[in-house]
Amino acid sequence: GENVEQHPSTLSVQEGDSAVIKCTYSDSASNYFPWYKQELGKRPQLIIDIRSNVGEKKDQRIAVTLNKTAKHFSLHITETQPEDSAVYFCAATVGYAGNMLTFGGGTRLMVKP
Amino acid sequence: GAGVSQSPSNKVTEKGKDVELRCDPISGHTALYWYRQSLGQGLEFLIYFQGNSAPDKSGLPSDRFSAERTGGSVSTLTIQRTQQEDSAVYLCASTKLLQQSDTQYFGPGTRLTVL
Repeated sequence: GENVEQHPSTLSVQEGDSAVIKCTYSDSASNYFPWYKQELGKRPQLIIDIRSNVGEKKDQRIAVTLNKTAKHFSLHITETQPEDSAVYFCAATVGYAGNMLTFGGGTRLMVKP
Repeated sequence: GAGVSQSPSNKVTEKGKDVELRCDPISGHTALYWYRQSLGQGLEFLIYFQGNSAPDKSGLPSDRFSAERTGGSVSTLTIQRTQQEDSAVYLCASTKLLQQSDTQYFGPGTRLTVL
């Protein structure tokens, strides 16, 4: 089955700096890669996703890149703000089939003002 | 519109007791998933329902865990003879499964504590 590794487990940045979180996956059939943000005590919320037919997707300060050959994808947050502080999870699945998501272990991002 | 809802929000039980956790998916969503999140950990898949198909139970950790989905909507996750290691947040998610849209929307979770 699919295995998703996520690094780093914790990341501390200064407000205004960029943050990068990386994930690798094992199943070459995976074609849908969402990123979720989970604030303390709250539900995971989708922030961005990417499909395997594109290499990069951007939404304001957030971008995701995908390298299918290397089977890794990354989340980039620019101009970080204290409200970006949360746990971020990457996930992978064979999309269009409704398969369950396989999650990475999470990255705790702390943005220091 | 209304999101995924779960009840109860918190459940404290004694070791050996049975518990039932409920999930109400977003109306019209055909697929429903249960995940478990232990303290400080990632999300672990438990079970998945899609339409009228047989559920994918491959993630259930033991035969003490079972789930059903009645009428293609509400789902109940049952844990029999609870153990302390069952303590976790149980999250439910649903999705509509349209092409170009696999987004899973999560409920607020049920925090289960087994004493």
